[in-house]
Order: sequence, then structure tokens, then C-alpha cells
Amino acid sequence: AQSVTQLGSHVSVSEGALVLLRCNYSSSVPPYLFWYVQYPNQGLQLLLKYTSAATLVKGINGFEAEFKKSETSFHLTKPSAHMSDAAEYFCAVTHLNNDMRFGAGTRLTVKP
Amino acid sequence: DSGVTQTPKHLITATGQRVTLRCSPRSGDLSVYWYQQSLDQGLQFLIQYYNGEERAKGNILERFSAQQFPDLHSELNLSSLELGDSALYFCASSRDHYGYTFGSGTRLTVV
Repeated sequence: AQSVTQLGSHVSVSEGALVLLRCNYSSSVPPYLFWYVQYPNQGLQLLLKYTSAATLVKGINGFEAEFKKSETSFHLTKPSAHMSDAAEYFCAVTHLNNDMRFGAGTRLTVKP
Repeated sequence: DSGVTQTPKHLITATGQRVTLRCSPRSGDLSVYWYQQSLDQGLQFLIQYYNGEERAKGNILERFSAQQFPDLHSELNLSSLELGDSALYFCASSRDHYGYTFGSGTRLTVV
């Protein structure tokens, strides 16, 4: 069975600071990994995805994530936080013919 | 607009009632997924349909059922509603395994 664990249900950063949201996965086969963002009262929007190509994946809004097989991690980063980045972020995992499983989510707060 | 349409956006109903949530997938997407999002349970996978057939089942209660029609739209039926069923219900669609597109959800409130 596949699963993801997001470390830290709440992360707070100052505007302009580095954003680091942690995600570790468990999968018996090579996974496909995703990060989604959810703004208040909206659905989930795909930020980026890893599908066994380049291990460093660039997404929208300046976010990127690196797949590290040795650490079973897929952490999300952004060099400089913006106020508009405040949202809930979800890491997710799937594989061929399987449904997508989501982590519990990390709420990002950006302080002025 | 993600291309996945969910109706209604909000629904308030009483305990014991039955409701139907509707989802129209993005054009060309054959798979439809239903998720329930609540504060205490997070995002829970309920069920998947692929081209009209049930493909996978998650934590879906027996009081809940779903189907996908020939035009690929899907309906999630929730019956004998309880207060604990209050949640956001999301539909997502995909045409491959490389990411889902989510609708904006239906907020169900059971009173």
C-alpha cells in the first residue's frame, strides 16, 4: 500500500523567507508523487508532479520539489515566500492503476 | 475554472435525508474520483469510476453509493445522512495517472 506523511501540520514563515514543506512517502513500487495547493473555499490545484523523469521538479508559482529515493522524500520548497502563498498544501502518491492517496496537509502561514 | 464541474456548491439538509452530488469531468477524462474532506479525517478517497465502471473503492460507507453514466458524468448518492457526514465532497477527473483535476467541491451541511 502507498501512503505519504507530511511532517508538520502548520508551518509559519516570514514573507521573503524560504518555504520548506516536508513529505515522506511509502511505496513498494516506484511512485508518482504530487503536490497540491488548496486555497480557502476552493478545490485542490496541482502545483507539480514527479513521474520518474527528472528528480528535481519545477512547478507553478515558483515552487519546486526534489525526489530523493534514498530518503523516500519529496519535500516542497520555494526560495522566497509571498503573502499569496498562504494556503493548505497536500502531498499525494499514486501508482499505475491505483487511486491517489493524500497526506494530512500542511497549513502554510506567511507573516508580513 | 478547472474544467471539472460540481453541483450544487452548497447543500444543507436534515439528518436521515438523502442527497445527490453531481460531477461533470474535464472533457476527455475517463476517470472520476470522489473524495471527502473533513477537519478530523482530512482528504479521504471514496470511490473511483473509469469509463462507467467502478475501478476502486476506498473508505466509502454503505450508505453512500456512486455511479458514472455513459456521458461520463458521475453522481454520488448519500443516504440516511448523519451529522458526521457534514464535509466537503470533491470530485476529480483524470485521463492518465499523471495528476488529477479537482472540482471546487460541494459543501454538505447536515443539521
